[in-house]
Amino acid sequence: TQLLEQSPQFLSIQEGENLTVYCNSSSVFSSLQWYRQEPGEGPVLLVTVVTGGEVKKLKRLTFQFGDARKDSSLHITAAQPGDTGLYLCAGEGPSSGTYKYIFGTGTRLKVLA
Amino acid sequence: NAGVMQNPRHLVRRRGQEARLRCSPMKGHSHVYWYRQLPEEGLKFMVYLQKENIIDESGMPKERFSAEFPKEGPSILRIQQVVRGDSAAYFCASSPPLKYGYTFGSGTRLTVV
Repeated sequence: TQLLEQSPQFLSIQEGENLTVYCNSSSVFSSLQWYRQEPGEGPVLLVTVVTGGEVKKLKRLTFQFGDARKDSSLHITAAQPGDTGLYLCAGEGPSSGTYKYIFGTGTRLKVLA
Repeated sequence: NAGVMQNPRHLVRRRGQEARLRCSPMKGHSHVYWYRQLPEEGLKFMVYLQKENIIDESGMPKERFSAEFPKEGPSILRIQQVVRGDSAAYFCASSPPLKYGYTFGSGTRLTVV
């Protein structure tokens, strides 16, 4: 059974600080997504990474897929209160084309003004 | 261009009643997925459907749960004879063929009393 562990589970930081959250597994994934979910809403897709070692940037967010495609990280620079939410990673794999994703339990981020 | 539409947003059922959750995918999306989210447990895959076909139902409980995506109309997740343990947020997502990542709806929060 493939599992995705996210760390930390909870993170509370001041506005302007940097942070990194991690998504780890012992299994290989063919693709990995990051989502952000706000209370009472569904997750919103932030990025998809498919190639080992791939780095993608979305404004102040930097996503990296591990070389072995077993782990990923999300780095936020100069966090803002609007970044508050539940960050979820989700992996498909190891074969692509199933379109079925395993979700991590999430990192709950709170950015204080 | 409406997103994924789920209704109702909130549903209260007494034990033993039936719950019917509806999901209309985004225009142009032919793949529908249902996930269940319990507090502190993350999103769990339930079923993957295309029009008139169940592709993968490996996450569906064997009894009381069924799903369909008819040729016309929304996808329906049906839970018969609900029990307290069925209380959760149920999310529907859709995607176009051969594309990574989902678009989620806002979910249906089912409460069984």
